[in-house]
Amino acid sequence: NAGVTQTPKFQVLKTGQSMTLQCAQDMNHEYMSWYRQDPGMGLRLIHYSVGAGITDQGEVPNGYNVSRSTTEDFPLRLLSAAPSQTSVYFCASSYRYALGEQYFGPGTRLTVT
Amino acid sequence: DAKTTQPTSMDCAEGRAANLPCNHSTISGNEYVYWYRQIHSQGPQYIIHGLKNNETNEMASLIITEDRKSSTLILPHATLRDTAVYYCIGGAGKSTFGDGTTLTVKP
Repeated sequence: NAGVTQTPKFQVLKTGQSMTLQCAQDMNHEYMSWYRQDPGMGLRLIHYSVGAGITDQGEVPNGYNVSRSTTEDFPLRLLSAAPSQTSVYFCASSYRYALGEQYFGPGTRLTVT
Repeated sequence: DAKTTQPTSMDCAEGRAANLPCNHSTISGNEYVYWYRQIHSQGPQYIIHGLKNNETNEMASLIITEDRKSSTLILPHATLRDTAVYYCIGGAGKSTFGDGTTLTVKP
């Protein structure tokens, strides 16, 4: 199993550009989530999904969209990048919502200039 | 999910036990306590979880108080590679990772 994979590893955007961060897992996990981590801070939940076709907002959802068309994939879209979105983004998955440990991807380091 | 409180930082001598406390006084009866750690800027790594009973695995031990309002993660023989940020999470739903405890293992 590859576990949780994320692409790209690094990305630089200009203010106003849009892009999609990819996340995939091959463990048949129902629950997937996106976090952002600013320097020296903990992880904050952006969006999550409890299964294909079902998504919901976390604590910092503004400026981001998600969709879950398959169990395996959970992309995060930045609609119009802003410098405040400069951060490291982690995707995670677990067997089921509120059940089981989360497995994290390696992260995407995003810089918005 | 329950709100958790952890000390900001701790030091530990190499080879000694590291005991990391966590307060989770608002945890509900069916919520597990999960511990993760993050080394440098890697993705967090799961360590251990428990509900009521003490738990042990190859990485660590978890001691949960009888009232479940707090727990302690124990790394029995800390090594330099255990230097990391340790997060205690109450529940496994919309998990909120606070700032965690930065553990520094010193030679």
